[in-house]
Amino acid sequence: GAVVSQHPSRVICKSGTSVKIECRSLDFQATTMFWYRQFPKQSLMLMATSNEGSKATYEQGVEKDKFLINHASLTLSTLTVTSAHPEDSSFYICSVQTSGRYEQYFGPGTRLTVT
Amino acid sequence: DAKTTQPPSMDCAEGRAANLPCNHSTISGNEYVYWYRQIHSQGPQYIIHGLKNNETNEMASLIITEDRKSSTLILPHATLRDTAVYYCIVRPGSYNTDKLIFGTGTRLQVFP
Repeated sequence: GAVVSQHPSRVICKSGTSVKIECRSLDFQATTMFWYRQFPKQSLMLMATSNEGSKATYEQGVEKDKFLINHASLTLSTLTVTSAHPEDSSFYICSVQTSGRYEQYFGPGTRLTVT
Repeated sequence: DAKTTQPPSMDCAEGRAANLPCNHSTISGNEYVYWYRQIHSQGPQYIIHGLKNNETNEMASLIITEDRKSSTLILPHATLRDTAVYYCIVRPGSYNTDKLIFGTGTRLQVFP
C-alpha cells in the first residue's frame, strides 16, 4: 500500500501560537487528501477534504480560518492550526486517495499538545 | 452521521477466528462496505471492502448478507497484533474519492 508520512509526529506548543502539520504521499499522486481529528477514546472526525490546487471543503463546525489547509501539490498537504488553544490538543491524521484506487491511505498521525 | 452500527467491544482468543458484525440496514444500492482498523495511536489501516459478493484477501474475509443489510468481517486466525478498533463504513462507489465517515467501531481484544 501507499506510504503516507506526517511531520511532526508529536508537537507541543504554547497557547496562542500556530502549528503546521505536513502530510506527504510518498508513493502516488494524491488527487484528494483528507484531514481528521481524533480526541482520546473517540472516533475519527473528518475536518476537511482538499483537492490539489483548489480550496478545501470543511465539515460543518470546523472553522476554516482556524484550521488552514493547503494542498499545493499532488504529494503534499499542510494543516496549520492557528492561535492554538488547549482544546485543540488532539491527534491529527491525514489520508490520501487518488482516482482509480479504492483504498484511502492514512498517515501515522500527529499528536498536538497545546499548553 | 455514521450509517453503521457495531458492538462496542469483543474478545477473541489468540489463534481463533474473530467474527466482527456490522449492521448497515439503510445501505443504498451503490454503496460499498469498507472495513478499516486502527491500532492504538496509529492511523487507520484498510482491510477489505465489498459490494454484495463475499470477499477475501490476505488479511480477512468479508461476508455480506444477501439483502446487504449486514456484514461480518472474519479474521481467520487472530493474533495479539490484531488487537485494534475495527470500523465498518459504507461509502458510494469503489474508485471514487468520497470521504469516509467513521462510526464508533468495535474494540477487539485478542488475548493469549
